[in-house]
Amino acid sequence: GQQVMQIPQYQHVQEGEDFTTYCNSSTTLSNIQWYKQRPGGHPVFLIQLVKSGEVKKQKRLTFQFGEAKKNSSLHITATQTTDVGTYFCAGPGQYGNKLVFGAGTILRVKS
Amino acid sequence: ETGVTQTPRHLVMGMTNKKSLKCEQHLGHNAMYWYKQSAKKPLELMFVYNFKEQTENNSVPSRFSPECPNSSHLFLHLHTLQPEDSALYLCASSQEHSFYEQYFGPGTRLTVT
Repeated sequence: GQQVMQIPQYQHVQEGEDFTTYCNSSTTLSNIQWYKQRPGGHPVFLIQLVKSGEVKKQKRLTFQFGEAKKNSSLHITATQTTDVGTYFCAGPGQYGNKLVFGAGTILRVKS
Repeated sequence: ETGVTQTPRHLVMGMTNKKSLKCEQHLGHNAMYWYKQSAKKPLELMFVYNFKEQTENNSVPSRFSPECPNSSHLFLHLHTLQPEDSALYLCASSQEHSFYEQYFGPGTRLTVT
C-alpha cells in the first residue's frame, strides 16, 4: 500500500542551529501537508503544497515540494525552543478519502 | 482553538466497561476522522466519515464502534478494551476528503486498566 516515510525519526539540535526533515512518498501526490504537534498537544496544520517544485516560507520555516511530487522537506532556520515538537508530513491516500501520515520527526532544541 | 472539541479529555476504564468518546466540530466540515496515537508510534487512522457515511475502516477491532449521526458529531463507542488500547484518541475534521487540511481536536487520553 501507499507509504509516506520521514527521516530522521529524531533530531536534537542546539538552539540557533538549522533543522531539516524529509518526507518521501511511494506514490505521486496531488498535494502534501505539514503538521506540527507540540509535546502534550495535538497536530496542528502548518501548510499545504500543491505545485511541482513549489517553495513556501513561513518566517523561519521553508517548505519544498519536489519536482516529481513524491518528496518534500521542511527546513527551520535558527531553531528556537518554541520549535520543539513532532513534525508530520501527510499526503492523500490512493482513493482520496484520507490522509496518509508519515511517522513524524521529533525535534528537541537545547538552549 | 475550539473548532474541534473532544470529551472527555481523560478517561480511565476497566476492561469490562463500556464508554463513549465524543467529538464535535464547529467548522462546517463534511469529513470527520478518528485516529489512535500511541506512545512513540505514528498516527494510526481508524475511521473516516464523509457526509455521515463511513468511507474507511482501517481494520479496527470490533471493540471500537464509531457512530456519526450528523456531519458535526462523531462518537467512538468502546467496550471490552485491552490494556494495549491505551492511547491518545484524536478526532479530526476537514472540508471534505484528503485535499483539504485537517483540524484536530485536543484528544482523549485513554487508559485501560
